[in-house]
Amino acid sequence: DIQMTQSPSTLSASVGDRVTITCRASQSISSWLAWYQQKPGKAPKLLIYKASSLESGVPSRFSGSGSGTEFTLTISSLQPDDFATYYCQQYNSYSGFTFGPGTKVDIK
Amino acid sequence: EVQLVQSGAEVKKPGESLKISCKGSGYSFTSYWIGWVRQMPGKGLEWMGIIYPGDSDTRYSPSFQGQVTISADKSISTAYLQWSSLKASDTAMYYCARDGYCSGGSCYSFHYWGQGTLVTVSS
Repeated sequence: DIQMTQSPSTLSASVGDRVTITCRASQSISSWLAWYQQKPGKAPKLLIYKASSLESGVPSRFSGSGSGTEFTLTISSLQPDDFATYYCQQYNSYSGFTFGPGTKVDIK
Repeated sequence: EVQLVQSGAEVKKPGESLKISCKGSGYSFTSYWIGWVRQMPGKGLEWMGIIYPGDSDTRYSPSFQGQVTISADKSISTAYLQWSSLKASDTAMYYCARDGYCSGGSCYSFHYWGQGTLVTVSS
């Protein structure tokens, strides 16, 4: 099975900060990597798919990059609405889908 | 507008059976995969399995294989997740989610989500 790790697990930041979250896969997953935002009591929301494609309606301050085993989600200028937990998710044809453990972004 | 509407919260006793549902609308139900995701209280997201309603092709996470059954009734655009014998450890929020289309096929990501069904198992 492919294991996913995220770092950091918690991130304290201020409005306007540039924020980067890293997701690593235990083996290459090509570009089948997605990023989700989840707020308490709500369903996850897709932000990025295929590693770097911005989902329709998602603000352009969110961007994704990477391939193979290392991927990043960047928020260029953190906004009050961005305080949430972020999950990466991979797909491979052998073991299906796996989510990372999550990164909580809170107010500094 | 794509919508996934899940059935309501359930409170069950250990050993009971349960089937929860996810009704899709606003798109061709048979043309997209629908997955199920578990979130235990205060924990992260876990992929359980996925079904393609067009031909009922179903894949399970090894962690959930044999523990749950995923099915779909394309005549009513509804996917299901069922348990034959619930345990207290099945207490969680369960989400259904639909994949997206990328050139060449699935994007292998979940673009639309249901509102979640809270399942509580307690004696």
